[in-house]
Amino acid sequence: DADVTQTPRNRITKTGKRIMLECSQTKGHDRMYWYRQDPGLGLQLIYYSFDVKDINKGEISDGYSVSRQAQAKFSLSLESAIPNQTALYFCATSDPSTRSDEQFFGPGTRLTVL
Amino acid sequence: DQQVKQNSPSLSVQEGRISILNCDYTNSMFDYFLWYKKYPAEGPTFLISISSIKDKNEDGRFTVFLNKSAKHLSLHIVPSQPGDSAVYFCAAFRGTSGTYKYIFGTGTRLKVLA
Repeated sequence: DADVTQTPRNRITKTGKRIMLECSQTKGHDRMYWYRQDPGLGLQLIYYSFDVKDINKGEISDGYSVSRQAQAKFSLSLESAIPNQTALYFCATSDPSTRSDEQFFGPGTRLTVL
Repeated sequence: DQQVKQNSPSLSVQEGRISILNCDYTNSMFDYFLWYKKYPAEGPTFLISISSIKDKNEDGRFTVFLNKSAKHLSLHIVPSQPGDSAVYFCAAFRGTSGTYKYIFGTGTRLKVLA
């Protein structure tokens, strides 16, 4: 079984709709992250959480919100989706005892906003 | 401002030869540099990292070199194998002094020819 799972894997929605992307992990890591990847660009950090009570904005948090429901669950919401939020979204986890903060990624969610 | 740059979008190498992937960064605040590999329809997977105080780190066929004066790092894969064909991302991490940053480059697509 995969250590980091994301649902859904693909989603097509319309402008203005509310969308939630979910992430679950079985690695037991405290730290969780949400990234987006656009064609030809690297991954950009949207939000990160170092524990259940700690939520922080990343580089591109505008238009997004998150919820850390438990150590193992971290969801990303688009309150009112717009077309330029069409992208590939990745969830990741890491163990804070690892000095280099190597991250473990889920398979991604491809989101299309029409 | 692109703090981490991979200027070569693609690279082709013959099987058995050396693959060299390059990455440049613009400031010296990072604690670690990392390389990730990504196959289609999967999330990135961690490959190798190097501390900012080191010059070289080796793990099997993979070696990362860091040139701090030039703000440049490179990943060497020897010998290259067809299974190494993937997109490679470099990343820079800073987690000290209350500032968390995790910046990815735009990726280099490596194709190893059999």
